[in-house]
Amino acid sequence: EIVLTQSPGTLSLSPGERATLSCRASQSVSSSYLAWYQQKPGQTPRLLIYGISSRATGIPDRFSGSGSGTDFTLTISRLEPEDFAVYYCQQYGNSPLTFGGGTKVEIK
Amino acid sequence: EVQLVESGGGVVRPGGSLRLSCAASGFTFDDHAMSWVRQAPGKGLEWVSGINWNGGSTGYADSVKGRFTISRDNAKNSLYLQMNRLRAEDSALYYCARDVYRTGWYYFDYWGQGTLVTVSS
Repeated sequence: EIVLTQSPGTLSLSPGERATLSCRASQSVSSSYLAWYQQKPGQTPRLLIYGISSRATGIPDRFSGSGSGTDFTLTISRLEPEDFAVYYCQQYGNSPLTFGGGTKVEIK
Repeated sequence: EVQLVESGGGVVRPGGSLRLSCAASGFTFDDHAMSWVRQAPGKGLEWVSGINWNGGSTGYADSVKGRFTISRDNAKNSLYLQMNRLRAEDSALYYCARDVYRTGWYYFDYWGQGTLVTVSS
């Protein structure tokens, strides 16, 4: 199975700052099949990005995804108060589907 | 409005069984593959199992293979997870999740609120 490693574990930033989250795969992710989700405390995950860089419906353009092969990045250009949450990457190119361990973006 | 409502969770002893259900509404159920994803308290997400639109193809995480069985009833707009030989490490909130596509498990655009499974003696 493909293991996804997210870093850092926690990112402490202020509103308005840029957030850069990393997701590294143990082997190449097939066909650009990588997604990102946001989860706030007590809430269900929300799809942000699929296909490495395509934003899901209703996701603001301050969220962007990039990368290829084994290295992927989620960037939040300017953090809004509602963006402080945990973010997970997920690969769907190989079964079993796997998620990264998550990056928590907290208010500094 | 898309709704996914899970039920069937509870407290069970190690070695016991539970059957989870997910009632879907607000969309054409057989247009989508479905999955179960779990989250242990304070932990990350783990895909458990997926099923394609007509039940003809299923997949499982290695951690549950041979113990869990996923199924669906398109006439009832329902998804199920039969969990046997439960272990303490199966304790988690179990989410029902809608896949974007019909044919297999890819990524998920809608999630239920989850049903809590606790395996404890």
